[in-house]
Amino acid sequence: GQQVMQIPQYQHVQEGEDFTTYCNSSTTLSNIQWYKQRPGGHPVFLIQLVKSGEVKKQKRLTFQFGEAKKNSSLHITATQTTDVGTYFCAASPEEIQGAQKLVFGQGTRLTINP
Amino acid sequence: DVKVTQSSRYLVKRTGEKVFLECVQDMDHENMFWYRQDPGLGLRLIYFSYDVKMKEKGDIPEGYSVSREKKERFSLILESASTNQTSMYLCATTIGGMRSYNEQFFGPGTRLTVL
Repeated sequence: GQQVMQIPQYQHVQEGEDFTTYCNSSTTLSNIQWYKQRPGGHPVFLIQLVKSGEVKKQKRLTFQFGEAKKNSSLHITATQTTDVGTYFCAASPEEIQGAQKLVFGQGTRLTINP
Repeated sequence: DVKVTQSSRYLVKRTGEKVFLECVQDMDHENMFWYRQDPGLGLRLIYFSYDVKMKEKGDIPEGYSVSREKKERFSLILESASTNQTSMYLCATTIGGMRSYNEQFFGPGTRLTVL
């Protein structure tokens, strides 16, 4: 079945450093979503990318969808302690009866040294 | 705001017990999902439902069943719990229909331990 590979699995940075996590698929994706899960919390939706080559920004977060729609990245500029958590990408390979299934990447756990 | 609640935050059961995990949402969403989350594996889809009494297998349905008798409630059932079902279980909902924007809203999760 559809697989989405996410790297790295862990990343530890100093506060103020940048951070990037990557998602890759062997097949073309209809869209990709990003979620953040704080320690002890549940995943919360950040953004969805649909178009080839799309770039979206949310303050210090930049999301990209590859031209071939097979990869995506999340980049955080100048990390802050509030950015701590696990970031997941989730891809939609198909739509079934209107229920859009998501396949999640393994997640990247970000820890920050203040 | 969408509210998704799960019946328990923590649950401890013994091997062979029948376990019920309940999820309730208050936003009239058509679609509901059950995932399990394990370190290094991300979230894996167990079952989902796009309408009352409708259910579809996800990627790892073995050992689980589901029930959706009412639109707002989606139950996950472990017929005979085993230790390899120790995990965090997350329920999620989303608006139905062929829409391009359909973020999933998650419940707080149930951490199940099977002894």
